Amino acid sequence: EAQLLESGGSLVQPGGSLRLSCAASGFTFSGYAMSWVRQLPGKGLEWISVISGSGVYTFYADSVKGRFTISRDNSLNTLYLEMKTLRAEETAIYYCAKDVSFYPSGIANDGFDMWGQGTMVTVSS
Amino acid sequence: EIVMTQSPATLSVSPGERATLSCRASQNVGTYLAWYQQIPGQAPRLLIYGASTRATGVPPRFSGSGSGTDFTLTINSLQSEDVAVYYCQHSKNWPRTFGQGTKVEIK
Repeated sequence: EAQLLESGGSLVQPGGSLRLSCAASGFTFSGYAMSWVRQLPGKGLEWISVISGSGVYTFYADSVKGRFTISRDNSLNTLYLEMKTLRAEETAIYYCAKDVSFYPSGIANDGFDMWGQGTMVTVSS
Repeated sequence: EIVMTQSPATLSVSPGERATLSCRASQNVGTYLAWYQQIPGQAPRLLIYGASTRATGVPPRFSGSGSGTDFTLTINSLQSEDVAVYYCQHSKNWPRTFGQGTKVEIK
C-alpha cells in the first residue's frame, strides 16, 4: 500500500532549526512532485513548498522563502524540509503530500492525492 | 498571490439533503482547482481535481463544477461521514493557496 510517513517534528526554541523527513513507499517516488503543507492549530491549510520529481525545480511560499529548504533523496524515497530561524507562529502540523500526476521532469497542475499523517512542530521557549 | 474565498463558513444540512459549497478565486485559474475533505483529527483527503475530476475512490455523490473564478462542490444526499471541513485550492501558479474552509455539519 502506498503511504507517506513524516518524522522529525519536536519542540524547538524560537530562532532554532529543525529538519523534517517524509518517507515514501508503495509508488515510484522519483516520478512525482512533492509538497509540504502546514496547518496551524485549529486553522486552515497553508502550502509552503514543492519540489519536482527530479529535484530540479523548487518553489516556496513567501512566508518561508530564504529560511526553509526543500530537498529529496530519490535513492532513499525520502523528502526533507530544512527549517531555520523558526518563529512561534510557525507552530503547526506539517504534512507532506504527493502530486496526483506522474511527471518526472516537471510539476503538474493538479492536486495532492496522498498525504502523510503529519508531524507536529512546536516553536516555543 | 491568488486569494481563494470559500462560502459559507459553516453549512448545516439534513441527512440525505444536498450540500452546495462555493469557492471563488481572485484571478482566473481556469480549471486548476482541487477540493479536499478534512475530517477532524485526520489529514486532508483529495476529492476533486481539475475542477470536476473525482479522485480515486471518491463516492459519486461528490461532484465539482466551475471554471475561471467561480467553483462549486456539491455533495448529494449528505451522509453522517461527510461531516468535515472542505477546502478548495488552486494549482494555477505558485503559491498554491487554499481557501479558508467550509465546515459541513449535520442539521
